[in-house]
Order: sequence, then structure tokens, then C-alpha cells
Amino acid sequence: DAGVIQSPRHEVTEMGQEVTLRCKPISGHDYLFWYRQTMMRGLELLIYFNNNVPIDDSGMPEDRFSAKMPNASFSTLKIQPSEPRDSAVYFCASSLVGQETQYFGPGTRLLVL
Amino acid sequence: GNSVTQMEGPVTLSEEAFLTINCTYTATGYPSLFWYVQYPGEGLQLLLKATKADDKGSNKGFEATYRKETTSFHLEKGSVQVSDSAVYFCALSDKTSYDKVIFGPGTSLSVIP
Repeated sequence: DAGVIQSPRHEVTEMGQEVTLRCKPISGHDYLFWYRQTMMRGLELLIYFNNNVPIDDSGMPEDRFSAKMPNASFSTLKIQPSEPRDSAVYFCASSLVGQETQYFGPGTRLLVL
Repeated sequence: GNSVTQMEGPVTLSEEAFLTINCTYTATGYPSLFWYVQYPGEGLQLLLKATKADDKGSNKGFEATYRKETTSFHLEKGSVQVSDSAVYFCALSDKTSYDKVIFGPGTSLSVIP
């Protein structure tokens, strides 16, 4: 079975540019989570969806961040405009309702210059 | 609110040494408890879990027991290997909040030959 797929794996961009991160959850999973990991702040939950509907976006740092899940097999996290402090590893994870275990993708390493 | 506290790292051990990583939690109700592991350059993956008091989770030689009286879920391994070098995250599930998982800050382990 394919796990959670994220693209791109690495992204280098300049401040002010738009960045779009992509995630394909495991087929059949009901939940999708976006996390950000940095040395200073550790692992932070940004937003999560249940059946494509955003449930809690209280972790989204500011209006520059937005996330969508147009269907059960695809989600995007967009940063516009990007800033150097957005440099981090962004993880997507999915899970089945009631099973609690989250399955993580390999992450996207974002560097904003 | 719910939270997880872990011992601070980094932890450095010699191969075949005994490992303990302490984890305590604060939660309402009866959460499930988890240990996730993150190998260098990868996403998190579930190592073991326990869903109720006195349950013992185990996998790959690692063990942890759900202690409700001390609100703890300490990770142990009798003999670590170089391949166990990773970051270990203690976590709990908030069963009242759509399967959301709360992660601790992580503990980095380095095992030297």
C-alpha cells in the first residue's frame, strides 16, 4: 500500500513568493492533518480535516497560510507571501476515524530565502 | 487542557545500554497513549500504543506501560542499537476532539558504537 504522499520533497524559494505544498492521504482515511516542525517550536498542528471539511484551523499561524481539501485524495497547504520564518519541515498525516494512529508522509522541507 | 511532557534531550547512550525516556501527561478522561519515532529525514511513525490503564505496548524491543495513577507512559528498551538513533515523541489522543493527537516535544536519542 502506498503511504501518505507529499510533494515536493524539497522547496527553496525567495521571500514573497507563493508556495504550495501537496498531500495525498492514504486511500479511505477520513482525517487529514497538516503539521509544521522546527527546531525552536517542535511539531505544531496547523489544521486538520474530517471528510474534506476543516475541523480546526486554530494552529494556522496567520492569514498568509491557507489549506484546502477539494476531495478525499488531495490537499494543499499554501503560503502567500512566504517569509524566511516559514522555513520548516511540513508534514501531512492521515488516519481512519476511531483508530487514532496517524500515518505521516515524508515531509516537505521548505527553505525561504 | 491536555498536554504531554517528556524528558529533555539529547540523550546519548552506548550500544547495548538500557534506555528510559520519561513521559507524563495531563488529560481529562481516558486518553490513548502513544510513542512515535522519527528517523533522520523521515516522517513520524507509530512505535507502540496503549489504550487503557495498565496496558503495556511493545514493539521492536521497546515497551511502555500506561500508568494512570502516575499519569505516565515511560519508554524503555533493554539494549539499544545504533539503528535506534532517532527522535521519540510521546503523544496522547484526545478522544473528545475528532481523533486529534497531542504530541510531546520529542526526545533525541543518539546511540554510539
